[in-house]
Parts: sequence; C-alpha cells; structure tokens
Amino acid sequence: NAGVMQNPRHLVRRRGQEARLRCSPMKGHSHVYWYRQLPEEGLKFMVYLQKENIIDESGMPKERFSAEFPKEGPSILRIQQVVRGDSAAYFCASSPLGQTSHSTEAFFGQGTRLTVV
Amino acid sequence: QKEVEQDPGPLSVPEGAIVSLNCTYSNSAFQYFMWYRQYSRKGPELLMYTYSSGNKEDGRFTAQVDKSSKYISLFIRDSQPSDSATYLCAMSKGGATNKLIFGTGTLLAVQP
Repeated sequence: NAGVMQNPRHLVRRRGQEARLRCSPMKGHSHVYWYRQLPEEGLKFMVYLQKENIIDESGMPKERFSAEFPKEGPSILRIQQVVRGDSAAYFCASSPLGQTSHSTEAFFGQGTRLTVV
Repeated sequence: QKEVEQDPGPLSVPEGAIVSLNCTYSNSAFQYFMWYRQYSRKGPELLMYTYSSGNKEDGRFTAQVDKSSKYISLFIRDSQPSDSATYLCAMSKGGATNKLIFGTGTLLAVQP
C-alpha cells in the first residue's frame, strides 16, 4: 500500500511563474489536506478537500493560491505569479476520515520543496 | 498567543536516556492529539495518536494528555541515535474539518 505521493519533490520557479504541486492520497483515502512549512516554523494548515469539494480553505492566502481535488487524478495546489515568500516546503496529507467517524489520523507525503528565484 | 506552544530546543541527550517532549495549548476544544517525527527534509511521520485525556504506550514511546492542564507529553525510553529528529505535536478539534494545528517542533539529538 503506497503512502501519500507528492511530486515533484523539488521545484524551482522564477518570480512571476506558476507552480503546480501534485498529491495522490493513500489508497482508500478520499480526504486531502495541504500544509505549508516555512523555515524554522511548524506546519500551517492551508486547505482541506474531498473529491470535487473544497471543505475548508481558511488557511489559503486570498490571492494567487488555489487547490482542487478532481474526481479522477491527484489533488493539485496551484500558486500563480510566485514570489520569493512562497519558497517553502508544501506537504500533503490524507486521512481515512469518513470511513471511521472518530479517526483524525493524517498521513503525510514527503513534500514538495518550492524555491522561488 | 499561539494556539499550540512547543519548546523548539534543541534538546541533546546521551543514548539510552529518557526523553520528555511537551506541548501546551490554549483551546479547550482540542480533542485529538498527535505526535509526529520529522527527519531532515522528509515528511512528518505519525508516531502516536490519542483521543481525549489519558496515556497511550507503543514500544519505547508513551504519549500523555492532560486536558485539565492543556498539556501533552511524549516520552521516549532508551533513546537511540536513530531517534534524532524534530518532534512535532499536533492537535485537532475533530468535527467537519479535522485540520491539525501544529507546534513548531522540538529538535532532538541523541548522542551515541
């Protein structure tokens, strides 16, 4: 059973370009979370998605950031017109919540390290 | 004030020592408590998961939750150099979102 798969592992973008980060959840998981980890800081929640639905985007910056989780295929975190401050590690987590009502265990991928130059 | 406070360390201990890692929190609505281990440039790995107050033991690891004091702990017995990593506490209110609120992490170094 493969874990949470994220790609690419490393992404370099010039200021103003677009970054697209992909996440495939664990098999059987239909809930995806995106977190951002800045240097010397803990992980910060960005968005929570189920298939074809954004459930909670309270942690997403108001502009330039969007996320989707289509019926088929991976979840995508999209950052338009990247700036240097977007440089961070972006982690995806998936959860079996929905199969077990009290389960909040979230399993993380290895992350995508975005560098904006 | 941050919702979750965690001493960033670094914490350096000799091999075989008992390690105590702690977090405090301010929101009494948190019900689910987790500890993650994160090696350098890797993703967080779930170590322990606890619902509400109490203790949970798994091998060399023991997690404690004291909701009355808003305080959680992770104990590592017989620490090994391979335990050297950053330990992150995380918690959730449950419900419709289940988003995790993380501490900033404690960097642990176990010296051989």
